[in-house]
Amino acid sequence: KAGVTQTPRYLIKTRGQQVTLSCSPISGHRSVSWYQQTPGQGLQFLFEYFSETQRNKGNFPGRFSGRQFSNSRSEMNVSTLELGDSALYLCASSLAGLAGGGNTIYFGEGSWLTVV
Amino acid sequence: QKEVEQDPGPLSVPEGAIVSLNCTYSNSAFQYFMWYRQYSRKGPELLMYTYSSGNKEDGRFTAQVDKSSKYISLFIRDSQPSDSATYLCAMTVTDKLIFGTGTRLQVFP
Repeated sequence: KAGVTQTPRYLIKTRGQQVTLSCSPISGHRSVSWYQQTPGQGLQFLFEYFSETQRNKGNFPGRFSGRQFSNSRSEMNVSTLELGDSALYLCASSLAGLAGGGNTIYFGEGSWLTVV
Repeated sequence: QKEVEQDPGPLSVPEGAIVSLNCTYSNSAFQYFMWYRQYSRKGPELLMYTYSSGNKEDGRFTAQVDKSSKYISLFIRDSQPSDSATYLCAMTVTDKLIFGTGTRLQVFP
């Protein structure tokens, strides 16, 4: 069974640019959630999508956005990149979502973003 | 104050030792509790998942939850060098997954 797939794995962007990251969840999983991981702040929740609808959002500025397609694949976009956006961006998938309870949440390998 | 507190370590132990990793939390609404292991430059890997107070065992790993004290623990028996990683506790509440900052564990031969 294929796991959660994130692309690209590594990328370097310049301040002011935008970036789009992609996540393919485990087959059959309808929930995709996104996280930012930095040494200083740890793992922080960005947002969750379930059946193409955003269910919840963390405390991040509007520059961070996402969407989910009918096949459950998800993308997140960061516009007007800042140096502080350099981080590991992780995607996770689950059957019933974060509020579903009784279900497990699986992470991808992440996308390493460096902003210069 | 953070909702979930976790000692960042690093924790360095000899092979074969029993390791205890801990998290405390402040929000009594947390319902489900997880432990993840994360190797360097990899995504977190789910180790244990519990939802009630008490112990849950899986091989060399035991997860313990004490909801009255708002305290969770992960015990690793007979630790191995391959257990060297960062261990993250995580909890769910109202559609969000909140992580501890992670504890770096080093098991030396």
